[in-house]
Amino acid sequence: GAVVSQHPSWVICKSGTSVKIECRSLDFQATTMFWYRQFPKQSLMLMATSNEGSKATYEQGVEKDKFLINHASLTLSTLTVTSAHPEDSSFYICSASRQAETTGQETQYFGPGTRLLVL
Amino acid sequence: GEDVEQSLFLSVREGDSSVINCTYTDSSSTYLYWYKQEPGAGLQLLTYIFSNMDMKQDQRLTVLLNKKDKHLSLRIADTQTGDSAIYFCAEKTTNAGKSTFGDGTTLTVKP
Repeated sequence: GAVVSQHPSWVICKSGTSVKIECRSLDFQATTMFWYRQFPKQSLMLMATSNEGSKATYEQGVEKDKFLINHASLTLSTLTVTSAHPEDSSFYICSASRQAETTGQETQYFGPGTRLLVL
Repeated sequence: GEDVEQSLFLSVREGDSSVINCTYTDSSSTYLYWYKQEPGAGLQLLTYIFSNMDMKQDQRLTVLLNKKDKHLSLRIADTQTGDSAIYFCAEKTTNAGKSTFGDGTTLTVKP
């Protein structure tokens, strides 16, 4: 259990276009999803925290108008990179919080990531 | 804010034990995690420990927590070439809060 998928797994686009990345929790409902960005050989940088039915909370320095996040259901969050530029090329990873039924503990489970290349 | 630090590289021979270390600064850290990332993939949760525990063992993995020194370690027994990956330490202070990740330790296992 606790499977998180991302689609697409990789995407190449032209500069100026918008790209949408989907994050789905396949076998559990996630009230909270997180979006990260990872540069080569570096750690994860948290971009935003997404809660179902409410506006995402963005980390300092992350442009909310450029990285649009929608969390329309308990199993789906989307990240749209608007007017993408080459500097937006990166590995984007989402995670979904699953709450254990017995203990209430929330654990993050990660998707496989989406590699974006903007030409 | 919170800070989590790890050594960047570790190289071991197949069959040896690996010990990956992590230190954190926030004494309120309650939940501590170890994740594994293989090339081009997302993060896989390996194990976790609560701050009221000092050890947790799960098959080849042993997690040790020294809360006084804010030091966490992951020991992999009988390390295999398939264990080569980047290992991330992460901490949370609240159950529903966001995690703070270390920079990751690249483990290389030589045959």
